[in-house]
Amino acid sequence: EVQLEESGGSLTQPGRSLRLSCVGSGFIFEDYAMHWVRQVPGKGLEWVSGISWDSRSIAYVDSVRGRFTISRDNAKKSLHLQMNSLRAEDTALYYCAKDKGSYYENYLDSWGQGTLVTVSS
Amino acid sequence: QSVLTQPPSVSAAPGQKVTISCSGINIGNGFVSWYQQFPGTAPKLLISENHNRPSGISERFSGSKSGTSATLGITGLQTGDEADYYCGTWDSSQNSWVFGGGTKLTVL
Repeated sequence: EVQLEESGGSLTQPGRSLRLSCVGSGFIFEDYAMHWVRQVPGKGLEWVSGISWDSRSIAYVDSVRGRFTISRDNAKKSLHLQMNSLRAEDTALYYCAKDKGSYYENYLDSWGQGTLVTVSS
Repeated sequence: QSVLTQPPSVSAAPGQKVTISCSGINIGNGFVSWYQQFPGTAPKLLISENHNRPSGISERFSGSKSGTSATLGITGLQTGDEADYYCGTWDSSQNSWVFGGGTKLTVL
């Protein structure tokens, strides 16, 4: 059974940084692309970033490009999202999700339970 | 504002059929997937590649795509189907995944 467990979410102030992590189990982590998707409570899904199996292909939504950095450590079966210059509008529940394939253009076939990021002064 | 357009809500009686639409030019060149989300839980893959059901998904759920629109169909509605439903696709022109705004299904 695929399991994805996120961590790192917390309350922080505007302009500060936060690093989210996601550990995967139940599948060959290094074979699959991974995603971060966020959701403001009560609102819809917003894709944030994706990374290919080998980290050579990376993509971001325009609103976070230049502030967020996605990375992965296949040896540790972990996915990360370094979030800098945080804004109030980054407040959301952040989900880690697994792609069906090695690149992130397929579909998201497994999701974690999410970690909450709150940006407020 | 979402790039893919879905109706905010749909409703139908138990046992009936409902369809949820998803439209946008981004759909035209790629596959559409659908996700089901119950309150307080993570989204779950419901339909992949326009019409494929993952293992464990009921045959009551179906998907189709035509041109720049996709449709999720649910037959034999049950109260347990009440959830939010999202469509999504890879937009190669923006190098980004895009989701619809979500549709809340109410089974009356």
